Amino acid sequence: DGGITQSPKYLFRKEGQNVTLSCEQNLNHDAMYWYRQDPGQGLRLIYYSQIVNDFQKGDIAEGYSVSREKKESFPLTVTSAQKNPTAFYLCASSTQRGRMANEKLFFGSGTQLSVL
Amino acid sequence: AQSVTQLGSHVSVSEGALVLLRCNYSSSVPPYLFWYVQYPNQGLQLLLKYTSAATLVKGINGFEAEFKKSETSFHLTKPSAHMSDAAEYFCAVTTASSASKIIFGSGTRLSIRP
Repeated sequence: DGGITQSPKYLFRKEGQNVTLSCEQNLNHDAMYWYRQDPGQGLRLIYYSQIVNDFQKGDIAEGYSVSREKKESFPLTVTSAQKNPTAFYLCASSTQRGRMANEKLFFGSGTQLSVL
Repeated sequence: AQSVTQLGSHVSVSEGALVLLRCNYSSSVPPYLFWYVQYPNQGLQLLLKYTSAATLVKGINGFEAEFKKSETSFHLTKPSAHMSDAAEYFCAVTTASSASKIIFGSGTRLSIRP
């Protein structure tokens, strides 16, 4: 079955530690996204990528980094500079046929990150 | 820039009653609007989307939404609530010129009373 796989489902970070969240898709989608979800705040865009080897900052990129070396993969690193990393992180993808804005997002099942 | 506002962070209805979840948008150009549903500890799934073809949009699970430009609204409705509808619902907006930036509302948690 085609879809988006996020791992791990739960992740714990120690003070000063960088952690990496995995996101893999086999939908052959060009665009991939990372959102952060906090209770009562909805989803906020961290980073997005429209094509391999290119990505743009979203609204809350500080303290995060990404890479897009392969079309299928878009890992997110939460660095020690992110002082409040506890949240639910969602990866998504979509097609980008002619930059059509009405293409829906496909979401992974999320990673819950907590600080020890 | 575009934005969405969801009125009511929590809505509770009885099983069989009408469901109404409110969403108002702001956009200086014609918007594309979406409703997504999220079940606990899962990602989001698309319920329906408005892309200027028809103002009344029908989605999955019996939900529908009506685009009202004069009211800048895109409220989600379902005639008869089912226990399985209990979830969090998100309204989202984007435009043709900002296709890669999809803005989500803060969400509305829907509870169903037996």
